[in-house]
Amino acid sequence: AQTVTQSQPEMSVQEAETVTLSCTYDTSESNYYLFWYKQPPSRQMILVIRQEAYKQQNATENRFSVNFQKAAKSFSLKISDSQLGDTAMYFCAFIPGTYKYIFGTGTRLKVLA
Amino acid sequence: NAGVTQTPKFRVLKTGQSMTLLCAQDMNHEYMYWYRQDPGMGLRLIHYSVGEGTTAKGEVPDGYNVSRLKKQNFLLGLESAAPSQTSVYFCASRTGGTGELFFGEGSRLTVL
Repeated sequence: AQTVTQSQPEMSVQEAETVTLSCTYDTSESNYYLFWYKQPPSRQMILVIRQEAYKQQNATENRFSVNFQKAAKSFSLKISDSQLGDTAMYFCAFIPGTYKYIFGTGTRLKVLA
Repeated sequence: NAGVTQTPKFRVLKTGQSMTLLCAQDMNHEYMYWYRQDPGMGLRLIHYSVGEGTTAKGEVPDGYNVSRLKKQNFLLGLESAAPSQTSVYFCASRTGGTGELFFGEGSRLTVL
């Protein structure tokens, strides 16, 4: 079965500090895309960052970066210089084929002032 | 820029009632999806469509029906609502390939 596991249901971090959210997945596919989505209290789902499995270089978007370990099937998200606006639920997801995305259960992140 | 629009945003139903959620996208996307979000369970795929006139079952399709008569619209129907269908429903769309999913704002449905 193709699955995504986020083992940290809740996390907190002090403002301006760095936090890493973990994600592991399982698939027999060799090529796929991985994503991190953010869901703030407004409920709107927003794409944070995307990684293509065939690219060895880790994706970065401003304060957000990933540590992609394909052999270990691990895709963690690092948030640097955390801001209060980063408080949200974060979902890891991947698309192992053409149509269906698989989502994890989410990590609720709270940034403390 | 409307993007993906869901209506209604909130609805309360009694057990056994029927209703339809409408999803409309103005980005000419081929693929459209309906998810439900429940606490501790992430997003689970109900049904999806890979093009106008096509639909397919997702992970949790029981109790729901869908239609995609027009490319820009994807309807989710509940014929006889049950309390287990109390949830937040999200519609999403994307272009072909492996692009970003664009989500609607969600629709909170409560079945009493």
